[in-house]
Amino acid sequence: GAGVSQSPSNKVTEKGKDVELRCDPISGHTALYWYRQSLGQGLEFLIYFQGNSAPDKSGLPSDRFSAERTGGSVSTLTIQRTQQEDSAVYLCASSSATGVNEQYFGPGTRLTVT
Amino acid sequence: DAKTTQPPSMDCAEGRAANLPCNHSTISGNEYVYWYRQIHSQGPQYIIHGLKNNETNEMASLIITEDRKSSTLILPHATLRDTAVYYCIALPAGGTSYGKLTFGQGTILTVHP
Repeated sequence: GAGVSQSPSNKVTEKGKDVELRCDPISGHTALYWYRQSLGQGLEFLIYFQGNSAPDKSGLPSDRFSAERTGGSVSTLTIQRTQQEDSAVYLCASSSATGVNEQYFGPGTRLTVT
Repeated sequence: DAKTTQPPSMDCAEGRAANLPCNHSTISGNEYVYWYRQIHSQGPQYIIHGLKNNETNEMASLIITEDRKSSTLILPHATLRDTAVYYCIALPAGGTSYGKLTFGQGTILTVHP
């Protein structure tokens, strides 16, 4: 079946501009996660949605970052007033409610802030 | 979450079994052993997980020692497409870190012809 999809695959933006990154999870998966991975660095957790519960935003690095999940499916990660240090690959993953450690990742969006 | 230790790199010939070790000597009773891999320029990929019994799926086998202090991921017939960084992590079934994956350095597996 279809996996997790993300768009765009690449995004180049100027410092100070806002960007929106989209994630379509696997159909039926109630949990959705956003991570980022900088060049040569490990995985950094950003935010976690589980069903209708309030999201776990503990990993968001600043108030310039926000995410929403509409209708329990598609999610959008928004970065306002982008900075060069925001350059990274942004990864989305989804899982079933009972298998939250068994996550299925999308291909990522490579964000470059110039 | 328990710390895991993996060799930084390994080589394997195509068609042979790749055996990737992981040490998790401080693993607690409620932590599962999970394996993920990341092929260059792709997102991480879940492989397999287990608690104390050996597990097998279409991708790999996971052998966990009886004392649960170490495990081995086995790719029975490695192909060039299995070249990737392999991550072994110990994750609880609940708690504040539930669902928040973090990877260490992992093992770079290179499968050569």
